[in-house]
Amino acid sequence: AQSVAQPEDQVNVAEGNPLTVKCTYSVSGNPYLFWYVQYPNRGLQFLLKYITGDNLVKGSYGFEAEFNKSQTSFHLKKPSALVSDSALYFCAVSPPSGQNFVFGPGTRLSVLP
Amino acid sequence: ETGVTQTPRHLVMGMTNKKSLKCEQHLGHNAMYWYKQSAKKPLELMFVYSLEERVENNSVPSRFSPECPNSSHLFLHLHTLQPEDSALYLCASSQEAGENQPQHFGDGTRLSIL
Repeated sequence: AQSVAQPEDQVNVAEGNPLTVKCTYSVSGNPYLFWYVQYPNRGLQFLLKYITGDNLVKGSYGFEAEFNKSQTSFHLKKPSALVSDSALYFCAVSPPSGQNFVFGPGTRLSVLP
Repeated sequence: ETGVTQTPRHLVMGMTNKKSLKCEQHLGHNAMYWYKQSAKKPLELMFVYSLEERVENNSVPSRFSPECPNSSHLFLHLHTLQPEDSALYLCASSQEAGENQPQHFGDGTRLSIL
């Protein structure tokens, strides 16, 4: 069975500093990987996805994520954090077998001014 | 504007009431989903519809009854709920079910059971 882990419940970073939100996964075969963001009182919003190809994926709002097959990781990164990036971030995996998404538990990012 | 609209945004109901949650997508997608989001728990997939047919039902209690009359609308009918059912209920859609397309979410209905 597939699973997604986000080892940090909370990540704090100062504005202007680089940020990383970690995600590891377990799935049979080659996965499809996604990041979503949730702002207060809103639904989840798609940021980026990895299907195949280049291991570095660029997404919305300056975010990017790096797929590492050997470490089964898909960490979300941004070179310079903004206060407005403060939100809940979810990693998700969709196995190629056609089953639906499995979401991680979420990581709360706080960017401090 | 998300392309997926959920109503109502907030709902308070007693355990004996019957109510319905509504979801409408304006994206031309073929798959629609209901999720439950509770505090400090992972997002739980409840139901999946593809081309108006239910393709997945993840052991959800029968007090939750979904309905998909067409590919643009999805309902969740609620009856005799329990306090532990209080949560944020999210609707989502994607081009196809189980493929590699991202899901587009509505802003949810915050449900409180008295």
